[in-house]
Order: sequence, then C-alpha cells, then structure tokens
Amino acid sequence: NAGVTQTPKFRILKIGQSMTLQCTQDMNHNYMYWYRQDPGMGLKLIYYSVGAGITDKGEVPNGYNVSRSTTEDFPLRLELAAPSQTSVYFCASSLTPWGTSDRGHQPQHFGDGTRLSIL
Amino acid sequence: AQKVTQAQTEISVVEKEDVTLDCVYETRDTTYYLFWYKQPPSGELVFLIRRNSFDEQNEISGRYSWNFQKSTSSFNFTITASQVVDSAVYFCALIESGNQFYFGTGTSLTVIP
Repeated sequence: NAGVTQTPKFRILKIGQSMTLQCTQDMNHNYMYWYRQDPGMGLKLIYYSVGAGITDKGEVPNGYNVSRSTTEDFPLRLELAAPSQTSVYFCASSLTPWGTSDRGHQPQHFGDGTRLSIL
Repeated sequence: AQKVTQAQTEISVVEKEDVTLDCVYETRDTTYYLFWYKQPPSGELVFLIRRNSFDEQNEISGRYSWNFQKSTSSFNFTITASQVVDSAVYFCALIESGNQFYFGTGTSLTVIP
C-alpha cells in the first residue's frame, strides 16, 4: 500500500498564480484532511472531508478550496497565491473521524508534505 | 487562548539523560482525545500515542512514557535514557468531541551525543 501520496513535494509560485496540491490515498478511508504547518508552528486544519462529496472548513480555510469527487482523492486548490500561504502542506486520512477510534492503528495517516513557497 | 500549550519551545539534553516534554490543554468537553506526534528533521509526522479522556492510565512504551492527569489538564511525555535519534520536534494535539482539532506549537528536542 502506498498510503497517502502528495504531489508535488516542492513548488515555488509567483504571487497571484494558482495551483492544485494533489492528495490521494489507497486505504479506502472516508475521512481526509488538509493541514498547513508554518515555520516553527504546529499544524492547522484547512479543510476536511467525511466522505466523497462532503467537505467542510477547518480553522484556516481562507484562500483555499477543496473538492472530494472520489474517496481516494482530495485536492487542495490555491486560487490567488499570496506570500502568507508559504507553508508546508500535509494531507492525511483516517478510517474513523479524526482517527479517534482506530484501535491498534495509526489514527491519521499523513502524507510526506508539500513545501510551497510563494514569492 | 491556546487550547494546547507546549511551553517548552526548545530543550537540549545530553544523551542518556531523561527528559519530560510538557503539554497542557484546555477544553470544556468531557469527551476528548489527546495525541503526541514526533516530527524528525526529515519532516514526516510520526504518531506516538492517542489517549481518550476516560482513560487516565499512564502508559509506557519502551523508553517512552506518558502521564495523563485530568486534574491538571496535562498530558506530559517522558523519554528515558534519551538517544540522538530522539532529536525532533514533538507535538501534542487535542481533538474535542465537536471535531475541533488543535495542535500545540511543538517542542524542539535536541539530544547531544
């Protein structure tokens, strides 16, 4: 199993450009999440999804959009890149909500992250 | 106010010393979950432990141990006989029953050989 795969691993954008961060998982998890991690900080939730066709905002959704057309994929879109969006982005998935009930299993499976710089 | 406070920003210890990383949380929910994650220099997030609010038993896993005290809203993490490979940023996290998720700002641990 590949787990959670994020692409690209690195990207540099100019201010005002748009891009989509890809996230796919092969574990048939209903729950998926996007986080950002600013330098020296913990993770903050951007958006999450409880299943195909259902998404909801997290703590810091402004400037981002998501879609969940399939169970496997949960892309994150930046429409007008701004320097404040320079961050490392992590995608995650879990079998149960937030992985709180995945007995004996890792609660949330994280991708390796996408390092995004906006100049 | 911070929901999860990790007051220790950086800690340095000499190899084989014991070290405790503090985590204080704030919630009004009776049902919640606490987590610890490790983020080594390579950047990936490594799950260490999950604890629900109804289970106050301390846990030991090898050199790692966790002390959960609801009375002081703390969930501290101790590494015994630290090793260089323990050098990483450690995050404490809280999930409340309403699915509100909060990470602490992390404690950067450096183990000096």
